[in-house]
Amino acid sequence: KNEVEQSPQNLTAQEGEFITINCSYSVGISALHWLQQHPGGGIVSLFMLSSGKKKHGRLIATINIQEKHSSLHITASHPRDSAVYICAATGNQFYFGTGTSLTVIP
Amino acid sequence: GAVVSQHPSRVICKSGTSVKIECRSLDFQATTMFWYRQFPKQSLMLMATSNEGSKATYEQGVEKDKFLINHASLTLSTLTVTSAHPEDSSFYICSASTGGWNTQYFGPGTRLTVL
Repeated sequence: KNEVEQSPQNLTAQEGEFITINCSYSVGISALHWLQQHPGGGIVSLFMLSSGKKKHGRLIATINIQEKHSSLHITASHPRDSAVYICAATGNQFYFGTGTSLTVIP
Repeated sequence: GAVVSQHPSRVICKSGTSVKIECRSLDFQATTMFWYRQFPKQSLMLMATSNEGSKATYEQGVEKDKFLINHASLTLSTLTVTSAHPEDSSFYICSASTGGWNTQYFGPGTRLTVL
């Protein structure tokens, strides 16, 4: 079993839809990261959070420490949001989820 | 924001040759650089952690004699894949940090294909 699990693995949405990607972890962590990997492979760090909620533009990330769960929300999704979203947890080491592949259709 | 570059972005080589990949932090000094590998449709896997001026720390299962890492300055780390074989074909990503896991800035990656 992976230390970090993401769901869903694949997600297709219509433009404008509200999207939620979930991440659960089983290890003690100091921080949780959401990363975005575009089709070309480059990775952008979207959020690092250790409690509560953070918002950046149309992206919102939340974390519940007690439940060991984090969510990434995208409001008013757009085709340019199409990417792989990776959840990663910082504990004794860096644990990566397997990613959620998002496709937003115009 | 902090910028990390990798060079080359894509390389194709013959089996048995060595390939060097550079990772540079362009506008900040990185005390630590991380090297990751990603196989198709799989997540990132940490290969090694490199601190400036000291030997890299390799993750279990990563051959240090095959994947040579040099971090000679605060802005440059190199990964050399020695005697590359087709199974080394992968996407190699570096990240640079000013302070450990939580402040990583990722490079754009290098796609290595070994024929």
